[in-house]
Formats: sequence, structure tokens, C-alpha cells
Amino acid sequence: DAGVTQSPTHLIKTRGQQVTLRCSPKSGHDTVSWYQQALGQGPQFIFQYYEEEERQRGNFPDRFSGHQFPNYSSELNVNALLLGDSALYLCASSLFRVREQYFGPGTRLTVT
Amino acid sequence: DQQVKQNSPSLSVQEGRISILNCDYTNSMFDYFLWYKKYPAEGPTFLISISSIKDKNEDGRFTVFLNKSAKHLSLHIVPSQPGDSAVYFCAASALGNQFYFGTGTSLTVIP
Repeated sequence: DAGVTQSPTHLIKTRGQQVTLRCSPKSGHDTVSWYQQALGQGPQFIFQYYEEEERQRGNFPDRFSGHQFPNYSSELNVNALLLGDSALYLCASSLFRVREQYFGPGTRLTVT
Repeated sequence: DQQVKQNSPSLSVQEGRISILNCDYTNSMFDYFLWYKKYPAEGPTFLISISSIKDKNEDGRFTVFLNKSAKHLSLHIVPSQPGDSAVYFCAASALGNQFYFGTGTSLTVIP
């Protein structure tokens, strides 16, 4: 039973560029949430997708956008990258309205 | 605005003894709480949860206690094992909405 997978593992981008991160949920899960974890901090909620729609959003600017596909996988897009966007980006999957979430290993994004 | 706080960045405990990790929150609407364990280069792993209708939940060596009046929860690990060495995060949510995470406590269990 495959758990949550994320790609790529690491990524280095230049300020102003755009980036796309990918997530495949745990088998049987239909909901994907994205989190940003800065160094020394806990994960911060970005948004959640269910049925290909954004259902909830945290306090992140519109530069952060996402998408969910019919197979429940998801993408996180960040435009106009800033140095402060450097962080570990975590994807978590769950069943809709079930509170236990299962996390992937994350994508480490470095913006230079 | 940090709604969930873990005030101890680190904790060291001897193998076999009890580890107690603490978490405080400010939002009285939080009704569900989770603890996650995180090893380096891995994502957080779900450990144990508790609903606000309970004040204790046990799962093997792990017990979570919730004190709603004090807005405080704690995770007890008994007995502690070297494999428990990791960063522990508590998280809280209100009415099925987003989870708020604390900043984590790094636990080291000394053999």
C-alpha cells in the first residue's frame, strides 16, 4: 500500500521564477492538503483540495495556487518566488472530513 | 499569531523513563488534537489523537491528556525508547477546519 508520495525531493529556483510541486495521495484517500514548513517552525496550512476544488485556504497570498486531478493527485504552484518561500513543502492526504492526515516526505524548495 | 505553542524546543530523557511533551493552545474553539512524530528527511507520522469530548486517550506506550480549562495537552511516552528520538508536533483544529501546528519539541532518548 503506497503512502503519500511527493516529487521532486529537492528543488532550487531563482527569485521571480515559478515552481510546481506534485503529490500523490495514499491509496484510498480523496483529499489533499498542502503545508509549508519553514526552518524551526511547524507546518503551516496552505490549502486543501477535495473533488478538484479548493475547499479551505490558509493565510497565503494568491501566488500560491493548486490543482487536484480526477485521480486525486495534486499540484502546488508558486509564482514570482521570493527568498522567503524557501521551505519544506508537505503534502498530506486523508478522507474528506476525516481528521487524521498522512504526510508525504516533502519537497525541499530553495530560492536563491 | 501562534495559536498552538510548544514552549520546550528540546527534551532529553533516559531510556525506560517517562517522556512528557507539552502543548498549549489559545483558541477555545479547537475540538480535535493530534500528535505527530517526525524523523529527519521524512514527513510527519500520525501518532495519536484526542477529541475535546475526552480528557485522555491511550495507544500502547503513548497517552495524550487534554485539560480544556487550562487549554493544555500533553503526550506521555512510557517507557521511552531510543527509537522515540524525533521531533514531536502537536496540532489542533476547530470544527473540521484547518490544522494549526506547534513549532515542535525535539525528544532525545538516551540509551
